[in-house]
Amino acid sequence: AQKITQTQPGMFVQEKEAVTLDCTYDTSDPSYGLFWYKQPSSGEMIFLIYQGSYDQQNATEGRYSLNFQKARKSANLVISASQLGDSAMYFCAMREGLDTNAGKSTFGDGTTLTVKP
Amino acid sequence: NAGVMQNPRHLVRRRGQEARLRCSPVKGHSHVYWYRQLPEEGLKFMVYLQKENIIDESGMPKERFSAEFPKEGPSILRIQQVVRGDSAAYFCASSPPWEKGGTEAFFGQGTRLTVV
Repeated sequence: AQKITQTQPGMFVQEKEAVTLDCTYDTSDPSYGLFWYKQPSSGEMIFLIYQGSYDQQNATEGRYSLNFQKARKSANLVISASQLGDSAMYFCAMREGLDTNAGKSTFGDGTTLTVKP
Repeated sequence: NAGVMQNPRHLVRRRGQEARLRCSPVKGHSHVYWYRQLPEEGLKFMVYLQKENIIDESGMPKERFSAEFPKEGPSILRIQQVVRGDSAAYFCASSPPWEKGGTEAFFGQGTRLTVV
Protein backbone atom coordinates (compact mmCIF):
# COMPACT_ATOMS: atom_id res chain seq x y z
CA ALA A 1 0.00 0.00 0.00
CA GLN A 2 1.17 3.49 -0.82
CA LYS A 3 2.44 5.15 2.32
CA ILE A 4 2.21 8.70 0.98
CA THR A 5 -0.50 9.68 -1.47
CA GLN A 6 -0.63 12.94 -3.35
CA THR A 7 -3.78 12.80 -5.45
CA GLN A 8 -3.24 16.00 -7.43
CA PRO A 9 -0.72 15.55 -10.22
CA GLY A 10 -1.11 19.20 -11.20
CA MET A 11 -2.63 22.31 -9.68
CA PHE A 12 -3.15 25.84 -10.92
CA VAL A 13 -3.56 28.92 -8.75
CA GLN A 14 -3.90 32.61 -9.48
CA GLU A 15 -1.13 34.81 -8.18
CA LYS A 16 -1.84 36.17 -4.68
CA GLU A 17 -4.44 33.51 -3.94
CA ALA A 18 -4.06 30.64 -1.48
CA VAL A 19 -3.71 27.02 -2.56
CA THR A 20 -3.91 23.69 -0.74
CA LEU A 21 -1.88 20.71 -1.82
CA ASP A 22 -3.22 17.40 -0.54
CA CYS A 23 -1.27 14.65 1.17
CA THR A 24 -2.51 11.55 2.97
CA TYR A 25 -0.28 9.04 4.69
CA ASP A 26 -0.43 5.57 6.14
CA THR A 27 1.57 4.32 9.09
CA SER A 28 1.09 2.21 12.20
CA ASP A 29 4.06 3.81 13.95
CA PRO A 30 2.97 6.32 16.61
CA SER A 31 6.15 8.35 16.08
CA TYR A 32 6.57 9.92 12.69
CA GLY A 33 7.32 13.17 10.99
CA LEU A 34 5.76 14.73 7.94
CA PHE A 35 7.68 16.98 5.57
CA TRP A 36 7.00 19.07 2.54
CA TYR A 37 9.68 19.83 -0.01
CA LYS A 38 9.70 22.09 -3.04
CA GLN A 39 11.55 21.11 -6.18
CA PRO A 40 11.83 23.93 -8.72
CA SER A 41 12.78 23.31 -12.31
CA SER A 42 16.45 23.67 -11.36
CA GLY A 43 16.10 20.37 -9.53
CA GLU A 44 17.19 20.95 -5.97
CA MET A 45 15.06 19.80 -3.04
CA ILE A 46 14.11 22.63 -0.72
CA PHE A 47 12.77 21.84 2.74
CA LEU A 48 9.60 23.83 3.48
CA ILE A 49 7.93 22.64 6.64
CA TYR A 50 7.88 19.84 9.21
CA GLN A 51 5.14 18.41 11.45
CA GLY A 52 5.83 15.86 14.16
CA SER A 53 3.20 13.29 15.06
CA TYR A 54 3.13 14.51 18.66
CA ASP A 55 2.96 18.19 17.81
CA GLN A 56 -0.23 19.70 19.15
CA GLN A 57 -0.32 22.68 16.84
CA ASN A 58 -0.17 22.90 13.07
CA ALA A 59 3.25 23.90 11.78
CA THR A 60 3.70 27.25 10.08
CA GLU A 61 6.69 28.75 8.25
CA GLY A 62 6.05 32.11 6.70
CA ARG A 63 3.54 31.66 3.89
CA TYR A 64 3.49 27.89 4.38
CA SER A 65 1.28 26.10 6.85
CA LEU A 66 0.57 22.44 7.34
CA ASN A 67 -3.02 21.40 7.98
CA PHE A 68 -2.39 18.32 10.11
CA GLN A 69 -5.44 16.13 10.71
CA LYS A 70 -4.09 13.14 12.57
CA ALA A 71 -7.29 11.10 12.74
CA ARG A 72 -7.75 11.45 8.99
CA LYS A 73 -4.04 10.89 8.36
CA SER A 74 -3.76 13.95 6.22
CA ALA A 75 -1.06 16.61 6.10
CA ASN A 76 -2.07 19.17 3.52
CA LEU A 77 0.23 22.05 2.63
CA VAL A 78 -1.36 25.48 2.43
CA ILE A 79 0.49 28.22 0.56
CA SER A 80 -0.96 31.66 1.16
CA ALA A 81 -0.57 34.63 -1.20
CA SER A 82 0.92 32.59 -4.04
CA GLN A 83 3.82 34.05 -5.96
CA LEU A 84 5.10 33.24 -9.44
CA GLY A 85 8.21 31.78 -7.84
CA ASP A 86 6.07 29.18 -6.11
CA SER A 87 5.64 27.35 -9.41
CA ALA A 88 7.40 24.04 -8.80
CA MET A 89 6.90 20.40 -7.94
CA TYR A 90 5.91 19.81 -4.30
CA PHE A 91 6.60 16.58 -2.47
CA CYS A 92 5.07 15.30 0.74
CA ALA A 93 7.24 12.87 2.71
CA MET A 94 7.01 10.86 5.90
CA ARG A 95 9.71 9.61 8.19
CA GLU A 96 8.73 6.86 10.62
CA GLY A 97 10.20 5.92 13.96
CA LEU A 98 11.44 9.29 15.12
CA ASP A 99 12.24 7.82 18.51
CA THR A 100 14.96 5.74 16.97
CA ASN A 101 17.69 6.55 14.55
CA ALA A 102 15.75 5.06 11.66
CA GLY A 103 15.52 8.04 9.42
CA LYS A 104 14.56 7.13 5.90
CA SER A 105 11.71 9.03 4.35
CA THR A 106 8.98 7.87 2.00
CA PHE A 107 7.97 10.37 -0.67
CA GLY A 108 4.77 10.89 -2.56
CA ASP A 109 4.73 11.23 -6.33
CA GLY A 110 4.48 14.99 -6.14
CA THR A 111 2.14 17.77 -7.25
CA THR A 112 3.13 20.25 -9.92
CA LEU A 113 1.94 23.71 -8.95
CA THR A 114 1.65 26.43 -11.57
CA VAL A 115 1.00 29.99 -10.44
CA LYS A 116 -0.72 32.10 -13.06
CA PRO A 117 -0.05 35.86 -13.28
CA ASN B 1 27.28 27.33 7.03
CA ALA B 2 27.70 24.84 4.22
CA GLY B 3 24.75 22.61 3.48
CA VAL B 4 24.90 19.14 2.02
CA MET B 5 27.42 19.17 -0.81
CA GLN B 6 27.15 16.74 -3.67
CA ASN B 7 29.53 16.37 -6.54
CA PRO B 8 29.60 16.22 -9.37
CA ARG B 9 26.34 17.98 -10.23
CA HIS B 10 26.24 16.29 -13.61
CA LEU B 11 27.90 13.03 -14.58
CA VAL B 12 27.91 11.35 -17.96
CA ARG B 13 29.03 7.75 -18.22
CA ARG B 14 29.07 5.24 -21.04
CA ARG B 15 27.36 1.92 -20.51
CA GLY B 16 29.63 -0.42 -18.57
CA GLN B 17 31.61 2.31 -16.81
CA GLU B 18 31.59 3.04 -13.11
CA ALA B 19 29.91 6.05 -11.54
CA ARG B 20 31.04 7.50 -8.21
CA LEU B 21 28.80 10.04 -6.53
CA ARG B 22 30.03 11.97 -3.51
CA CYS B 23 28.16 13.53 -0.64
CA SER B 24 29.53 15.67 2.18
CA PRO B 25 26.90 16.06 4.90
CA VAL B 26 26.19 19.15 6.91
CA LYS B 27 28.95 19.58 9.48
CA GLY B 28 28.02 17.68 12.61
CA HIS B 29 25.47 15.47 10.89
CA SER B 30 26.21 11.78 11.35
CA HIS B 31 23.35 10.35 9.29
CA VAL B 32 23.38 10.19 5.51
CA TYR B 33 20.65 8.99 3.16
CA TRP B 34 20.75 8.38 -0.57
CA TYR B 35 17.66 8.67 -2.77
CA ARG B 36 17.09 8.17 -6.47
CA GLN B 37 14.65 10.18 -8.54
CA LEU B 38 13.67 8.88 -11.95
CA PRO B 39 12.21 11.40 -14.41
CA GLU B 40 8.70 12.55 -13.48
CA GLU B 41 8.74 10.55 -10.24
CA GLY B 42 9.22 11.14 -6.53
CA LEU B 43 12.33 10.26 -4.59
CA LYS B 44 12.88 6.63 -3.73
CA PHE B 45 14.96 5.67 -0.70
CA MET B 46 18.09 3.69 -1.43
CA VAL B 47 20.32 3.51 1.64
CA TYR B 48 20.82 5.00 5.10
CA LEU B 49 24.28 5.18 6.62
CA GLN B 50 25.92 6.36 9.77
CA LYS B 51 29.66 6.75 10.07
CA GLU B 52 31.24 3.43 9.00
CA ASN B 53 27.90 1.62 9.20
CA ILE B 54 25.13 0.78 6.78
CA ILE B 55 21.92 0.98 8.79
CA ASP B 56 19.31 0.28 6.12
CA GLU B 57 19.99 -0.67 2.52
CA SER B 58 16.53 -2.00 1.76
CA GLY B 59 16.18 0.28 -1.26
CA MET B 60 19.47 -0.57 -2.90
CA PRO B 61 19.49 -2.77 -5.99
CA LYS B 62 21.09 -6.09 -5.15
CA GLU B 63 23.82 -5.84 -7.74
CA ARG B 64 26.19 -3.15 -8.98
CA PHE B 65 25.27 -0.59 -6.31
CA SER B 66 27.20 0.03 -3.12
CA ALA B 67 27.50 2.84 -0.60
CA GLU B 68 29.89 3.80 2.14
CA PHE B 69 30.32 6.54 4.70
CA PRO B 70 33.86 6.30 6.05
CA LYS B 71 35.10 7.73 9.30
CA GLU B 72 36.83 10.48 7.36
CA GLY B 73 35.62 11.94 4.11
CA PRO B 74 32.40 12.04 2.16
CA SER B 75 29.83 9.35 1.63
CA ILE B 76 30.19 7.60 -1.71
CA LEU B 77 27.49 5.96 -3.81
CA ARG B 78 29.13 3.67 -6.34
CA ILE B 79 27.42 2.21 -9.38
CA GLN B 80 29.40 -0.36 -11.29
CA GLN B 81 28.83 -1.26 -14.94
CA VAL B 82 26.18 1.40 -15.42
CA VAL B 83 23.21 0.79 -17.70
CA ARG B 84 20.82 3.25 -19.34
CA GLY B 85 18.22 2.58 -16.62
CA ASP B 86 20.58 4.03 -14.02
CA SER B 87 20.10 7.48 -15.55
CA ALA B 88 18.45 9.50 -12.80
CA ALA B 89 18.99 12.21 -10.25
CA TYR B 90 20.66 10.93 -7.10
CA PHE B 91 20.09 12.95 -3.97
CA CYS B 92 21.93 12.79 -0.70
CA ALA B 93 20.42 14.03 2.55
CA SER B 94 21.85 14.36 6.03
CA SER B 95 20.44 14.85 9.49
CA PRO B 96 21.66 14.91 13.07
CA PRO B 97 20.55 12.09 15.40
CA TRP B 98 17.05 12.31 16.79
CA GLU B 99 18.32 12.95 20.31
CA LYS B 100 20.04 16.08 19.01
CA GLY B 101 16.89 17.38 17.39
CA GLY B 102 17.27 15.48 14.16
CA THR B 103 13.93 15.88 12.51
CA GLU B 104 14.49 17.49 9.13
CA ALA B 105 16.74 15.99 6.56
CA PHE B 106 18.70 18.52 4.52
CA PHE B 107 19.15 17.65 0.87
CA GLY B 108 22.01 18.29 -1.45
CA GLN B 109 21.44 19.62 -4.94
CA GLY B 110 21.66 16.18 -6.46
CA THR B 111 23.86 14.50 -9.04
CA ARG B 112 22.27 13.98 -12.41
CA LEU B 113 23.67 10.82 -13.93
CA THR B 114 23.25 10.27 -17.63
CA VAL B 115 24.28 6.95 -19.11
CA VAL B 116 24.92 7.04 -22.85
